[in-house]
Amino acid sequence: DQQVKQNSPSLSVQEGRISILNCDYTNSMFDYFLWYKKYPAEGPTFLISISSIKDKNEDGRFTVFLNKSAKHLSLHIVPSQPGDSAVYFCAGFDDKIIFGKGTRLHILP
Amino acid sequence: NAGVMQNPRHLVRRRGQEARLRCSPMKGHSHVYWYRQLPEEGLKFMVYLQKENIIDESGMPKERFSAEFPKEGPSILRIQQVVRGDSAAYFCASSPVRGSSSYEQYFGPGTRLTVT
Repeated sequence: DQQVKQNSPSLSVQEGRISILNCDYTNSMFDYFLWYKKYPAEGPTFLISISSIKDKNEDGRFTVFLNKSAKHLSLHIVPSQPGDSAVYFCAGFDDKIIFGKGTRLHILP
Repeated sequence: NAGVMQNPRHLVRRRGQEARLRCSPMKGHSHVYWYRQLPEEGLKFMVYLQKENIIDESGMPKERFSAEFPKEGPSILRIQQVVRGDSAAYFCASSPVRGSSSYEQYFGPGTRLTVT
């Protein structure tokens, strides 16, 4: 039973444009939603979070939007940079972190 | 300020052998989590430990897997009689607190276990 779903395995975006990564969830008990970024041969690094009582959180180039009625969240990266090429994991937190399968983002020059 | 350290980074074991994976949390962190990532999958929670206590092992396979976090020294994830399906990347994470802020976990680089 996948509680967190990332339906796009990969995404390619031109440098300077907006990257939008999407995520759906089924567990209504999540207190927080998280985005982690992972480079090959490294552990995930925390990127940004959003409380379940908020609908938007912004940190520099990164903004996360939460639509609770649709059980959907998205991560916007603008402008996209070459160093943003990585795998992005969406996750929910309800006493433990539940990760999606990830979306591989390619930033094209 | 060193981050979460894991060793070894790569471990090769033959079927039936034992694998021991070590994790040293960040300085000042007393909460340790272990995750497993199978190929093409996301990370899956295995176990949550504090010093000398297993808090939540709901993600641990019922047999062959065990974890500890002793008073002194690193946390150990032990896999007995490994099988090919145990081949995966095993990540350790640590956090300084428990409760709602424990979603802020800091991950180590992982140990890649290959069972031949």
